[in-house]
Amino acid sequence: DTGVSQDPRHKITKRGQNVTFRCDPISEHNRLYWYRQTLGQGPEFLTYFQNEAQLEKSRLLSDRFSAERPKGSFSTLEIQRTEQGDSAMYLCASSLRIADQETQYFGPGTRLLVL
Amino acid sequence: EDQVTQSPEALRLQEGESSSLNCSYTVSGLRGLFWYRQDPGKGPEFLFTLYSAGEEKEKERLKATLTKKESFLHITAPKPEDSATYLCAVQIYGNKLVFGAGTILRVKS
Repeated sequence: DTGVSQDPRHKITKRGQNVTFRCDPISEHNRLYWYRQTLGQGPEFLTYFQNEAQLEKSRLLSDRFSAERPKGSFSTLEIQRTEQGDSAMYLCASSLRIADQETQYFGPGTRLLVL
Repeated sequence: EDQVTQSPEALRLQEGESSSLNCSYTVSGLRGLFWYRQDPGKGPEFLFTLYSAGEEKEKERLKATLTKKESFLHITAPKPEDSATYLCAVQIYGNKLVFGAGTILRVKS
């Protein structure tokens, strides 16, 4: 399977704990996005990378959230001191921009539940 | 503020009963409009991209159209396996996607 993969698929944690999610993009895709989706809503943008550079962060991304993409390959999203409001599906997408056109392909998501 | 609104929120159809989903948008600098399908507990699956008013794309029972203010996803003779949430998103300058809340489609046999 050459699609976007995410790990873990599910995570249950207690309030105050740190969690880290991993995303492996489609090979050769130079752009990688993180979104968050809550029940009944569409995904909301969190941040994106072009190669290893983090080019944009949403106002939704508090200081407790940090994302990295070392060497421009896989990416990690860490949430420190989790809160119950962080419970959501965290989605990763990757894309390759060609001639001003770009399609984002999504992974299966990591569902986080904070107790 | 960039905004995407989808209607209806939910739609129930009988198998074979054609209908349309609506996506209206207010954005500054549209680069493209995207339709995705999302099954419960899964990530969005790409369906179509539309770039300019008047453009149309088709795939099996689905057809997407675009005007300057809205897009429609037409579903012809739907089957139960078409049941899913259909998400509309716009890409604006800055590359991120702004999504609507989705339309939940249920097709009964």
